[in-house]
Amino acid sequence: AQSVTQLGSHVSVSEGALVLLRCNYSSSVPPYLFWYVQYPNQGLQLLLKYTSAATLVKGINGFEAEFKKSETSFHLTKPSAHMSDAAEYFCAVSLVHSGYALNFGKGTSLLVTP
Amino acid sequence: KAGVTQTPRYLIKTRGQQVTLSCSPISGHRSVSWYQQTPGQGLQFLFEYFSETQRNKGNFPGRFSGRQFSNSRSEMNVSTLELGDSALYLCASSLRESSGANVLTFGAGSRLTVL
Repeated sequence: AQSVTQLGSHVSVSEGALVLLRCNYSSSVPPYLFWYVQYPNQGLQLLLKYTSAATLVKGINGFEAEFKKSETSFHLTKPSAHMSDAAEYFCAVSLVHSGYALNFGKGTSLLVTP
Repeated sequence: KAGVTQTPRYLIKTRGQQVTLSCSPISGHRSVSWYQQTPGQGLQFLFEYFSETQRNKGNFPGRFSGRQFSNSRSEMNVSTLELGDSALYLCASSLRESSGANVLTFGAGSRLTVL
């Protein structure tokens, strides 16, 4: 069975600082991996995806993530935080033997302080 | 291109009632999935429909059901509502990419409150 662990339910950074949101997965087969962002009272917006091509994936709004098979990780980073980045972030894994349904982590709430 | 549209956005029901939620996918998307989001359980997969057939199902009781129409629009129904059914219900439509990945685009959700 696959699972997704997001370390840190709340992360606080200063505006302009590095953003690092951690995601680890467990799977016996190669996964598809995703990061989604959710703003208050909205649905989920896709930030980026790993679909077995390049291991360093660039997404929208300056975010990127690196798939590290040896560490079973898919951490999300952004060099410089902006106030508008404050939101809830979800990592998700998708596998063929689960019919490609997304299995989400519990989420990380990002707070950006001035 | 219009996104995924969910109606209604907000609704309040009482225990024992039933509710129907609607989802219109992105034009050309034939797959529609439903997820439940609660503070306690997080985001959980309900089911997926493709070409009017349920292709995949999560671990929810039979009170939760869905269907898809020939125009790919989907509805989900919850019967005999319980307090614990209060949640944000998210619909997503998707296209299967050449990589094999099923990339979901979500709607804004329907927030159900059960009193």
